[in-house]
Amino acid sequence: EAGVVQSPRYKIIEKKQPVAFWCNPISGHNTLYWYLQNLGQGPELLIRYENEEAVDDSQLPKDRFSAERLKGVDSTLKIQPAELGDSAVYLCASSLGQGAFYEQYFGPGTRLTVT
Amino acid sequence: GEDVEQSLFLSVREGDSSVINCTYTDSSSTYLYWYKQEPGAGLQLLTYIFSNMDMKQDQRLTVLLNKKDKHLSLRIADTQTGDSAIYFCAENRDDKIIFGKGTRLHILP
Repeated sequence: EAGVVQSPRYKIIEKKQPVAFWCNPISGHNTLYWYLQNLGQGPELLIRYENEEAVDDSQLPKDRFSAERLKGVDSTLKIQPAELGDSAVYLCASSLGQGAFYEQYFGPGTRLTVT
Repeated sequence: GEDVEQSLFLSVREGDSSVINCTYTDSSSTYLYWYKQEPGAGLQLLTYIFSNMDMKQDQRLTVLLNKKDKHLSLRIADTQTGDSAIYFCAENRDDKIIFGKGTRLHILP
């Protein structure tokens, strides 16, 4: 069974440019998460989806970040415009359901470098 | 404090036991987790423990939980080179998983 797929794996952009990340969760997983992982830190939740609905986006900086999960499967995370401080790894995860009982499966992440 | 705390670095000889310690914050957390992250990869759930347990053993892994002190530890017996990774302690809080900064485990030959 394929795991969580993310693309691109690496992205280098200049500040003020837009960037988008794509995530394909494990088939049948209704819950999808986007995490931000800064260097030397643990992941921090940006947004959680239940099917196509964003149920927790309290940590998403909405002035420049947006996300969507059309049809409740794939998801994209966008930053516009990017800032130097956005350089980090963006992780996508999915689970069968929401709540601590359900294991989250992580993708390999997209490493973003903003110059 | 608000953070899940863990030491940042641990160096262990191959074949010895590794013990990674963690202090969490929320006494009402029902689950506590250990995740492993290898270079260039996402996180992988290694093991978890329910808050009503004191200990859980799974092959080479032993998790100890001290609820009074909010202390969690992960022991890896017979540490191998393949165990070299970053290990994250995490707790569930308000239906989210909150991660520590991770402990980088380095294996000496």
